Amino acid sequence: KQEVTQIPAALSVPEGENLVLNCSFTDSAIYNLQWFRQDPGKGLTSLLLIQSSQREQTSGRLNASLDKSSGRSTLYIAASQPGDSATYLCAVRHAGGTSYGKLTFGQGTILTVHP
Amino acid sequence: EPEVTQTPSHQVTQMGQEVILRCVPISNHLYFYWYRQILGQKVEFLVSFYNNEISEKSEIFDDQFSVERPDGSNFTLKIRSTKLEDSAMYFCASSDRASGSSYEQYFGPGTRLTVT
Repeated sequence: KQEVTQIPAALSVPEGENLVLNCSFTDSAIYNLQWFRQDPGKGLTSLLLIQSSQREQTSGRLNASLDKSSGRSTLYIAASQPGDSATYLCAVRHAGGTSYGKLTFGQGTILTVHP
Repeated sequence: EPEVTQTPSHQVTQMGQEVILRCVPISNHLYFYWYRQILGQKVEFLVSFYNNEISEKSEIFDDQFSVERPDGSNFTLKIRSTKLEDSAMYFCASSDRASGSSYEQYFGPGTRLTVT
């Protein structure tokens, strides 16, 4: 059974700092991995998707890497801003199921960026 | 930009009552999902739906749950006899099947269900 773990559970940084969020998964047979942002009481906003054949994906100040063989992904946020404060979730889709199959989520990292 | 919408945003119901949560997926998407998040816990998969039938369901999705696509736009989750432990945020998601699609899932804003 796929298990997804995110470290740290919470992170508080000053504005402008570069930071790394970590995600690990127990079964390396994944189809892809998505990073989401969740604001309090709100839905999930997809930030980046990395296919299993890719090593990294970039969008603006965000860069996500994937090391499938070791079961790890990182989300790098450059020059953090107070507006980046949110919970960040990673989720994997298992390769053994259908290509449109379910996502398995980590518990999230709560990020606070203070001015 | 197209988005997934869900109604209502908040539903309060009494234990034992039936509720229907509604979702309008992105219009050209073909795969539909329901997830739930109990307060303070992980987002959990409930069910996926394609071609008018369930393609996968979790152990949570027992006989009290059902899904339906009653027309070309809506996707619903029905809970027949709600229990206190059904209180959660319920998210609908959809993904497409275009050529070269990554099957990226797009989530709605959620319906907060409170069972009293």
